[in-house]
Amino acid sequence: EVQLLESGGGLVQPGGSLRLSCAVSGFTFSSNSMSWVRQAPGKGLEWVAAIGGSGASTYYADSVKGRFTISRDNSKNMLYLQMNSLRAEDTAVYYCAKRIVSTKGFDYWGQGTLVTVSS
Amino acid sequence: QSALTQPASVSGSPGQSITISCTGTSSDVGGYNYVSWYQQHPGKAPKLMIYDVSNRPSGISNRFSGSKSGNTASLTISGLQAEDEADYYCSSYTSSSSLYVFGTGTKVTVL
Repeated sequence: EVQLLESGGGLVQPGGSLRLSCAVSGFTFSSNSMSWVRQAPGKGLEWVAAIGGSGASTYYADSVKGRFTISRDNSKNMLYLQMNSLRAEDTAVYYCAKRIVSTKGFDYWGQGTLVTVSS
Repeated sequence: QSALTQPASVSGSPGQSITISCTGTSSDVGGYNYVSWYQQHPGKAPKLMIYDVSNRPSGISNRFSGSKSGNTASLTISGLQAEDEADYYCSSYTSSSSLYVFGTGTKVTVL
């Protein structure tokens, strides 16, 4: 059974940093691209970042480029999102998501972790 | 990258069919057959319903179907059931600097 479990969310002040983690199981992690997708309270979904299976390729939404860093540890089946220079508009539930093999889109999602940026 | 455009709400009675549209541009919906649809119940994670425009993942009811014409994709739910009441989001791969773009979301209400 595929499982994705996010952690690391919480309350942080504007300008602060936070590191999200996503523990995965039930599939060959190193063979799959992964993404982070966020959802602000009462709003729609927004793709944030993606990383290839080896970790060599990374991609970011313009809204987080230069502030967020996606990474992975294939030996631990872990996905990460380092978030720096946080802003109020980064407040959202952050989901990790597995990309569908051989195509685009996301077939498995975690339950999400809430990040609140406020003073 | 602007979000794909979806109607804010669609409603129907049990047993009826409804269709949700998703309008983008030639850089996303119109340029690739990488449109996917997600169902999201309140407080829950999104669930993949359709991928590659019209393919259903294993376990998804054949009451859900997808199609595309030009820059607009559509999700049709036939035989509407109470459990279909949820928010629905389309998504597309995009040639812009952001890899993926999501739709604005549609709230489906079963009357």
